[in-house]
Amino acid sequence: AQSVAQPEDQVNVAEGNPLTVKCTYSVSGNPYLFWYVQYPNRGLQFLLKYITGDNLVKGSYGFEAEFNKSQTSFHLKKPSALVSDSALYFCAVSALGAGKSTFGDGTTLTVKP
Amino acid sequence: GAVVSQHPSRVICKSGTSVKIECRSLDFQATTMFWYRQFPKQSLMLMATSNEGSKATYEQGVEKDKFLINHASLTLSTLTVTSAHPEDSSFYICSARDPKGVGGGQETQYFGPGTRLLVL
Repeated sequence: AQSVAQPEDQVNVAEGNPLTVKCTYSVSGNPYLFWYVQYPNRGLQFLLKYITGDNLVKGSYGFEAEFNKSQTSFHLKKPSALVSDSALYFCAVSALGAGKSTFGDGTTLTVKP
Repeated sequence: GAVVSQHPSRVICKSGTSVKIECRSLDFQATTMFWYRQFPKQSLMLMATSNEGSKATYEQGVEKDKFLINHASLTLSTLTVTSAHPEDSSFYICSARDPKGVGGGQETQYFGPGTRLLVL
């Protein structure tokens, strides 16, 4: 079985400050890890993914995530937050051949000016 | 990047009627599509996995006779909510995977914009 935990329902950050949205996972075998963002009343947009290779993955809109195998984590980060980054963020995990991804419960990021 | 569309974006219907939602992959062929339901401020709940040319695989607790899924072509999957009731009101989102994605790209899901269903 595969699972994802996003321990924070809400993250509040001031504009210009660095942000981190946490994600830990559990999966059999090598994980495929994803971050998606959802704006109100919209579908999810793909931000970035880790499949293999460098542990630090760079994605859209200046976001990056670091894969840490020993801690089974894949935290989403951005050096300088923007108000427009305010949205709902989902972490997801999949194992090759699993057939489907498992999503975390989501973290609402609020960036205040 | 890969694009997935959904139609309609919003639908209001009367209790007891059926509603069909379409999900299309616009620039790739998707052998697998997923249907999710999302309640306000909650995570995605996977309803079913739709495989082209075969029966959908429903998650536990999802009524297959209530939520009919048809994946008739490599670019189209439909979800029909039959005999809709107010408790079926929700945000329905589909996603599709590009099986030709390389290096694990085939695991990436591309999401449609969602369909807001309101049953009166």
